Amino acid sequence: LAKTTQPISMDSYEGQEVNITCSHNNIATNDYITWYQQFPSQGPRFIIQGYKTKVTNEVASLFIPADRKSSTLSLPRVSLSDTAVYYCLVVLTSYDKVIFGPGTSLSVIP
Amino acid sequence: GAGVSQSPRYKVAKRGQDVALRCDPISGHVSLFWYQQALGQGPEFLTYFQNEAQLDKSGLPSDRFFAERPEGSVSTLKIQRTQQEDSAVYLCASSIGGPIYEQYFGPGTRLTVT
Repeated sequence: LAKTTQPISMDSYEGQEVNITCSHNNIATNDYITWYQQFPSQGPRFIIQGYKTKVTNEVASLFIPADRKSSTLSLPRVSLSDTAVYYCLVVLTSYDKVIFGPGTSLSVIP
Repeated sequence: GAGVSQSPRYKVAKRGQDVALRCDPISGHVSLFWYQQALGQGPEFLTYFQNEAQLDKSGLPSDRFFAERPEGSVSTLKIQRTQQEDSAVYLCASSIGGPIYEQYFGPGTRLTVT
């Protein structure tokens, strides 16, 4: 089953663009990539989901190259409130389940 | 509208006790998921319901763990004869469909086994 790897932590200054890359070498043809955000003492919250190329919504962009072995979550102009753990996960459509990655702890510095 | 709620928010159990954790999903959501999240780690899938049917329980760590959703709405995760390694946050999520759809998570129940 597909597993994901991502950096354990990242720091960024307020106002900068942050890119978090996730590796998923064993992703299957019909699997999706999804990103969630989690604040302390809260459940994860959906950010964005994609299959290939680029997806953009009001809070983030998701870039998935043609080989789909990695993906990059892009957060434009981060603020202090974006300090959280960001999880990359693979939706295994053939197995009807999701696998969360280890998460990247993002710290936004004033 | 109301989100996913879980109760209790915190539970302390002595080793060997049985516990029951409740999840109230968003009304009308067909799918319900349970996850276990150890400190500093990502959530790990436990089990998945579609309406009242438990479609996948492959993530339940032992036969001491049991989940049910008898009427396709509220779900209960029961842990029998709790052990210290069961200490974790138990997250519940619901969605309009299967895992491909956005999951809405509750705040979790933090279980501490002493």
